[in-house]
Amino acid sequence: EDQVTQSPEALRLQEGESSSLNCSYTVSGLRGLFWYRQDPGKGPEFLFTLYSAGEEKEKERLKATLTKKESFLHITAPKPEDSATYLCAVQARMDSSYKLIFGSGTRLLVRP
Amino acid sequence: GEEVAQTPKHLVRGEGQKAKLYCAPIKGHSYVFWYQQVLKNEFKFLISFQNENVFDETGMPKERFSAKCLPNSPCSLEIQATKLEDSAVYFCASSPARGNEQFFGPGTRLTVL
Repeated sequence: EDQVTQSPEALRLQEGESSSLNCSYTVSGLRGLFWYRQDPGKGPEFLFTLYSAGEEKEKERLKATLTKKESFLHITAPKPEDSATYLCAVQARMDSSYKLIFGSGTRLLVRP
Repeated sequence: GEEVAQTPKHLVRGEGQKAKLYCAPIKGHSYVFWYQQVLKNEFKFLISFQNENVFDETGMPKERFSAKCLPNSPCSLEIQATKLEDSAVYFCASSPARGNEQFFGPGTRLTVL
């Protein structure tokens, strides 16, 4: 069964304290891996798509990387406005629905 | 539009009543997906459309749920005879192509009393 596991469940950082969020996946052939940010009461906001192992994408203080089994979202020198839930999702190559399979997210709190 | 729009933002129904949710995808996006988000960020896929055609409905409880995407109209998700367990946030997402990233709307929070 296709599955996505995110860790840690929650993370508290001081402003400026860099860290990484993990997304492990088991899928019947990966079509794509997607990172989203979700603020309370809002819909997921698209951040990155990664398609193959070794690929990296960067945006401001965020950098996403991909291996054959997991993805990391690195946050460099975070600011309080980076506080949100970060969601990882995969699309399976053998799944004709093209649906996203989500992990349960990492709740990030950045304190000033 | 440049963003996915969903209405209403909140919907309260008594058990057994009908609920209808609407979604306007981003202009030019051919694919529409509906997801149900329940506790602990659990997202459940319901149905997807390619233009007005159902693309995949394997996640839909068909006995009470139905959905449509008609030309020149918002897409809709309808729940007949709502149950307590239907209480959730329903998200619509659109995508320009099947394997691309999906862009989500703000969601409709359905509360069934």
